[in-house]
This record gives sequence, structure tokens and C-alpha cells, in this order.
Amino acid sequence: AQRVTQPEKLLSVFKGAPVELKCNYSYSGSPELFWYVQYSRQRLQLLLRHISRESIKGFTADLNKGETSFHLKKPFAQEEDSAMYYCALWAGGTSYGKLTFGQGTILTVHP
Amino acid sequence: NAGVTQTPKFQVLKTGQSMTLQCAQDMNHNSMYWYRQDPGMGLRLIYYSASEGTTDKGEVPNGYNVSRLNKREFSLRLESAAPSQTSVYFCASSRLRALSYEQYFGPGTRLTVT
Repeated sequence: AQRVTQPEKLLSVFKGAPVELKCNYSYSGSPELFWYVQYSRQRLQLLLRHISRESIKGFTADLNKGETSFHLKKPFAQEEDSAMYYCALWAGGTSYGKLTFGQGTILTVHP
Repeated sequence: NAGVTQTPKFQVLKTGQSMTLQCAQDMNHNSMYWYRQDPGMGLRLIYYSASEGTTDKGEVPNGYNVSRLNKREFSLRLESAAPSQTSVYFCASSRLRALSYEQYFGPGTRLTVT
């Protein structure tokens, strides 16, 4: 069975500082990894997926299969980045889009 | 286009009471899901429905039942609520995009069982 671990429950940085939210996974196959974000009083939404190799709102994430990690990074944090972030894994195949989520990290960006 | 809608937004139940959480999506998605969100536990899958007419258990199905009424609607029922079911419940639907699935979430239902 697959597992996603986000070791930090809380992460605080100051505006303009770099930020990295950690995500490690365990899965014997070839997974698809995602980052979802939940801003205050908003619904959970997709931030980015590794298959797209995209940068959204200045965030990037690289899948490192050797270290089984998918850390989320941003070089200069903004106050509007404060939110709950979830790393998620899709096992592919016939799993019908089922996602396994990590425990979540609450990011606070101070002015 | 409302996306995924859930009712009610808030509910307080007494232990042993029953209730049904409603979910609907207007995006013509085949797959739908119910999750619960608890502090320190992340989101955990309760049940999912790959397509109309099918349902399957997720990670934490005990104490819950579901019904995929049609392609749009997927309800979650608590037959005899327990305090351990106090949580925020999210419904989601998904579509296949670029060889991967993207899930769309509802606003959530905050349930308290006393």
C-alpha cells in the first residue's frame, strides 16, 4: 500500500524568504504526485502536479524517485501563500483517481 | 457551473442519530469520493465511486454507507453517529486530464457528534 508523509505540521517563514514543504512517499510502482492547497475559507484545490512540470504561483516541485520525495519550493514566499498544503499520490492504473494524502502542512508567511 | 456542492455546511448530532450528507457535481465526472479531514491525519478516503452504479470502500469505511444515486449525486450516510465521527467531510469528483486525474472538491461539511 502507498503512503505519503509530510513531516512538518507547521512551517513559519517571513515574507521574501525561501520556503520548502517536504513530502516523502512510499510506493512500489510509478506514482503520480500532486500538491493541493487549501486557503482560509476556500475549498481544497489542485496547486500543481509533477507530470506537468509546471510552476504555479511561483511554486515548483520536483519528483526525486531515488529519495522518494516531492518537495514543494518557492524562492520568495508571499503572505498570500499562507495556507494548508497537502501532498498527494495517485497509484495509477485502475485506482480510478483515488488519492492518498499526507497529513498536511500549515504554512504561515509573516510580514 | 457550481462545481461540487455539499449540504449541509454544518451539522450537530447526538450519539446514535443518523444523517445523510449530500453531494452533487455538474461537471459530468465519472468518479466521486468522500473524504474526512482530521487534524494531524490529513484527508482519508471513506468511500469512492468509480462510475455510476459502483461504490467501493476506501481507507476508513466503518460506520458509513454511500449511495451513488446517479452520475451527479453521491451521498454519505451515518447510520448511528459516534463522537469519533466528528470531522470535516469533503466530497470530490475527478476527471482524467493529461494522463492523470485532477480532483475537484466541495466546500466541506463540518460535523460534530456529541
